[in-house]
Amino acid sequence: GAGVSQSPSNKVTEKGKDVELRCDPISGHTALYWYRQSLGQGLEFLIYFQGNSAPDKSGLPSDRFSAERTGGSVSTLTIQRTQQEDSAVYLCASSERTGTEAFFGQGTRLTVV
Amino acid sequence: ILNVEQSPQSLHVQEGDSTNFTCSFPSSNFYALHWYRWETAKSPEALFVMTLNGDEKKKGRISATLNTKEGYSYLYIKGSQPEDSATYLCAPISSGSARQLTFGSGTQLTVLP
Repeated sequence: GAGVSQSPSNKVTEKGKDVELRCDPISGHTALYWYRQSLGQGLEFLIYFQGNSAPDKSGLPSDRFSAERTGGSVSTLTIQRTQQEDSAVYLCASSERTGTEAFFGQGTRLTVV
Repeated sequence: ILNVEQSPQSLHVQEGDSTNFTCSFPSSNFYALHWYRWETAKSPEALFVMTLNGDEKKKGRISATLNTKEGYSYLYIKGSQPEDSATYLCAPISSGSARQLTFGSGTQLTVLP
């Protein structure tokens, strides 16, 4: 595709439900990042995939959060048993390889009620 | 995750003023430094990717310098315009195995007409 695509663009879910957020990176990009922006905060790093290497999960805030990247392309961020503090904009970015310019998707706005 | 500091946190300038902000990062194991512009209701967009000590990059009225030995980068905007209003983020990347893109909290620039 022409850019990084994220879906859904908006998601409202009830507390305690599981949610899946999807990211389609730019074709051929080997690096993929997930971030979140909570209200009034900056970009918080969550997880990073680079090629076939084991993902860097050091930013995941709890074990309710997980992510996978299938076939080196599409990535899914899963939040289990959502809490109100999980409400945020979740941004995905991809880059050709480590260290090169990252391109961001438009984000998924998650609201937990 | 790298410790990144950006200053000032926010800045208001008049149209036509020139301004600059600072990004400080650990000087050891440096690999690259990214600058991004993040406008309200949009996704971050890359301005510069810098890798060499003494690098100076320019894009229109915006330029950046890099000092990897002392661990800082400056971003300059000459003749600020209202459309320059945005949050400017820097993200250093280390040369270690953890090459994730970790952003500073940003400098929020408001250019008053």
